[in-house]
Amino acid sequence: QKEVEQDPGPLSVPEGAIVSLNCTYSNSAFQYFMWYRQYSRKGPELLMYTYSSGNKEDGRFTAQVDKSSKYISLFIRDSQPSDSATYLCAGSGGSNYKLTFGKGTLLTVNP
Amino acid sequence: DAGITQSPRYKITETGRQVTLMCHQTWSHSYMFWYRQDLGHGLRLIYYSAAADITDKGEVPDGYVVSRSKTENFPLTLESATRSQTSVYFCAISPKPYEQYFGPGTRLTVT
Repeated sequence: QKEVEQDPGPLSVPEGAIVSLNCTYSNSAFQYFMWYRQYSRKGPELLMYTYSSGNKEDGRFTAQVDKSSKYISLFIRDSQPSDSATYLCAGSGGSNYKLTFGKGTLLTVNP
Repeated sequence: DAGITQSPRYKITETGRQVTLMCHQTWSHSYMFWYRQDLGHGLRLIYYSAAADITDKGEVPDGYVVSRSKTENFPLTLESATRSQTSVYFCAISPKPYEQYFGPGTRLTVT
């Protein structure tokens, strides 16, 4: 079993929809949880990170972590065609800076 | 631009040849990483380095060699390239445990 599981999709939504992306993890040592966005033929870019359980909001994006159920979520409000990308979740214990990534979910937002 | 350059950006080589992929950071961050990204597998860690002259294996190190004589450079060498090493290779730097910044990637094809 991979340490971070993520539904690969693909996920297709109309513009303006609320998008929910989810991951589960198995490593109890994870303290940091990240979401990366990767456009086609580009490197991943850090979107948001959360430390331990809780919510974090940044504009249209909300990251949520529930350590009791080992569940990571990213919500995108008022989705835009420019949000079309692959979204990768990741977890880290923090001690050696290593991240464990999910396989990514391909999102398409249709105008 | 996260201050990371990778070269070459595209490479075609033949089975059995030695290939070196270069990664350079304009910063002086201690931690550097090499990943490969393949359809169906996501990002997989090959090697990482905590400082100059300190390297360690990741998830898929077989067939690869790294060195880090200078903090800013982290080359990855395929000693004898195989078709299974056809992939997109990303280098990353990590200023904090929850932040990794990726280079633009190198697309390697082994024929």
